[in-house]
Amino acid sequence: SAVISQKPSRDICQRGTSLTIQCQVDSQVTMMFWYRQQPGQSLTLIATANQGSEATYESGFVIDKFPISRPNLTFSTLTVSNMSPEDSSIYLCSARTSGSWEQYFGPGTRLTVT
Amino acid sequence: AQSVTQLDSQVPVFEEAPVELRCNYSSSVSVYLFWYVQYPNQGLQLLLKYLSGSTLVKGINGFEAEFNKSQTSFHLRKPSVHISDTAEYFCAVSESPGAGSYQLTFGKGTKLSVIP
Repeated sequence: SAVISQKPSRDICQRGTSLTIQCQVDSQVTMMFWYRQQPGQSLTLIATANQGSEATYESGFVIDKFPISRPNLTFSTLTVSNMSPEDSSIYLCSARTSGSWEQYFGPGTRLTVT
Repeated sequence: AQSVTQLDSQVPVFEEAPVELRCNYSSSVSVYLFWYVQYPNQGLQLLLKYLSGSTLVKGINGFEAEFNKSQTSFHLRKPSVHISDTAEYFCAVSESPGAGSYQLTFGKGTKLSVIP
């Protein structure tokens, strides 16, 4: 299994600013993912964070808006750039360990953009 | 492409009554199926998963689900619910190895409210 922590747990930001969310896993994992959960909606995959290479983004999400870093096998960051009120969501980090089909999730970062 | 439909957005049920949360999926390839639970202000926790083998899968907290390939369903059941089961439940599907990516596709969620 894997225990995932995220920082910050919540934040209120002004339009036009950027926020970087950190995701820390307590063990080495092969794959890390970033999801967005908009109010009253399900989870949507933003990107897969690949260690040592560029992240793989899903349709509708671009690197300029959501730059991702993954410097090692236990850590990743997601930046929400040039924020607008439409970016108000919960952002969740998840990870999958080698040989397992289970994805473990962090507690999420609740972002409000005013 | 795969998709997941959770037929009920909200399910109220009295304490100690049985409950079924419905999930149907669509995929052109073999799939793995999952149920996750999200308690208020928390992340997602895996309840149970179907990868292969027996179609009746038992999970944590007394939940179970049955995979029905012909009906493309994976309904979640519990014979007697507790107040502590009040949460949002998400059904998710992933393409099986060799059939595609590891991406999880989630349904829109079902909010279970247990009434004392």
